[in-house]
Amino acid sequence: DAKTTQPNSMESNEEEPVHLPCNHSTISGTDYIHWYRQLPSQGPEYVIHGLTSNVNNRMASLAIAEDRKSSTLILHRATLRDAAVYYCILRAPDGSGNTGKLIFGQGTTLQVKP
Amino acid sequence: DAGITQSPRHKVTETGTPVTLRCHQTENHRYMYWYRQDPGHGLRLIHYSYGVKDTDKGEVSDGYSVSRSKTEDFLLTLESATSSQTSVYFCAISGERWGYTFGSGTRLTVV
Repeated sequence: DAKTTQPNSMESNEEEPVHLPCNHSTISGTDYIHWYRQLPSQGPEYVIHGLTSNVNNRMASLAIAEDRKSSTLILHRATLRDAAVYYCILRAPDGSGNTGKLIFGQGTTLQVKP
Repeated sequence: DAGITQSPRHKVTETGTPVTLRCHQTENHRYMYWYRQDPGHGLRLIHYSYGVKDTDKGEVSDGYSVSRSKTEDFLLTLESATSSQTSVYFCAISGERWGYTFGSGTRLTVV
């Protein structure tokens, strides 16, 4: 399984944008980049995923480098409720033998200051 | 979360007893997964299933078995619970190429 590298922790001020980086230099051409977050005392929650192009949804944006060796999760206006652990994970496509399983790293703990 | 439920939510059991945790989905998703989460270790994959009666081991499968006799249910069994299996257990489901949906977790304490 290809690995990802994320900073252990980051801080942000409320209502400011947050850029959470992820390095995945060994990504294969067919791996999807997934982001999840886990709020305190809850299960992980899907945030966004992409393959090559940048992606936007109601929660966040995902910027993928042209060589796909890194990506950035962008929270446009951080709120106190965005304080969580954010995981960047690579998911192999179905039929590749990985059956889509996600292997979690340690993630980035995001603190949001009022 | 909607479409996936875990039971029980909390359980205390004695060392050496068998324990079964249940994950039930209403999404008709093909893939189901069991993870455990411990302080300092993050989420670790125990077992997963890619169809009825199709299961495979994850990173930390020793001491656990699973069964999936129908699409909607994925059972995790601790054959003989040990204190090292005290943890929070999360079930997850996934359709093909979509994101995962996680359950609310089962907090298991083995005394």
